[in-house]
Amino acid sequence: NAGVMQNPRHLVRRRGQEARLRCSPMKGHSHVYWYRQLPEEGLKFMVYLQKENIIDESGMPKERFSAEFPKEGPSILRIQQVVRGDSAAYFCASSPGTGADYEQYFGPGTRLTVT
Amino acid sequence: DQQVKQNSPSLSVQEGRISILNCDYTNSMFDYFLWYKKYPAEGPTFLISISSIKDKNEDGRFTVFLNKSAKHLSLHIVPSQPGDSAVYFCAAGTGTSYGKLTFGQGTILTVHP
Repeated sequence: NAGVMQNPRHLVRRRGQEARLRCSPMKGHSHVYWYRQLPEEGLKFMVYLQKENIIDESGMPKERFSAEFPKEGPSILRIQQVVRGDSAAYFCASSPGTGADYEQYFGPGTRLTVT
Repeated sequence: DQQVKQNSPSLSVQEGRISILNCDYTNSMFDYFLWYKKYPAEGPTFLISISSIKDKNEDGRFTVFLNKSAKHLSLHIVPSQPGDSAVYFCAAGTGTSYGKLTFGQGTILTVHP
């Protein structure tokens, strides 16, 4: 299955710890997007990355959140000093980067629970 | 600021009938629109899209209609099947910010056998 892969699927962190979420895009895709879904809400855009570049981070909280997509390896969404309000499902999507970029393909998500 | 709205939280339909899911938007800069389907504990699955230069796009049982003057789009599923039961999200984007999709809150569709 060459779909978008995310790990871990479930992550439990205590308040103040760090959370690292990983995303491997579909084969041949060079663009990665991160979205967050809070309970009973739709998905909210966080950040759009290409290899080694952040293209649009207008949806990222100003503090504690960072994202990267290195030349080699998966994209990482990092949340430092987690708080209860960070509990959500975090979805990664990818696209080919060849024109139809709006057709994004999503991974299964990482469900973060902060206790 | 909810730029994409799905005002019906849920919809219940009999198998074989038509399901119509609605979506309204406020940002006139949106120029492409998508529908995604989502099962619990899974990521959204792309269903169908439409660009602002069209008013209709069809793919099998799924048809999306776009009314730009009303800033409204709808997804028709004909005939509805029990396997269509899921949460449906509409999403929109602009050509100047490729990649940034704005999602509605979702509509839970239940198709009864």
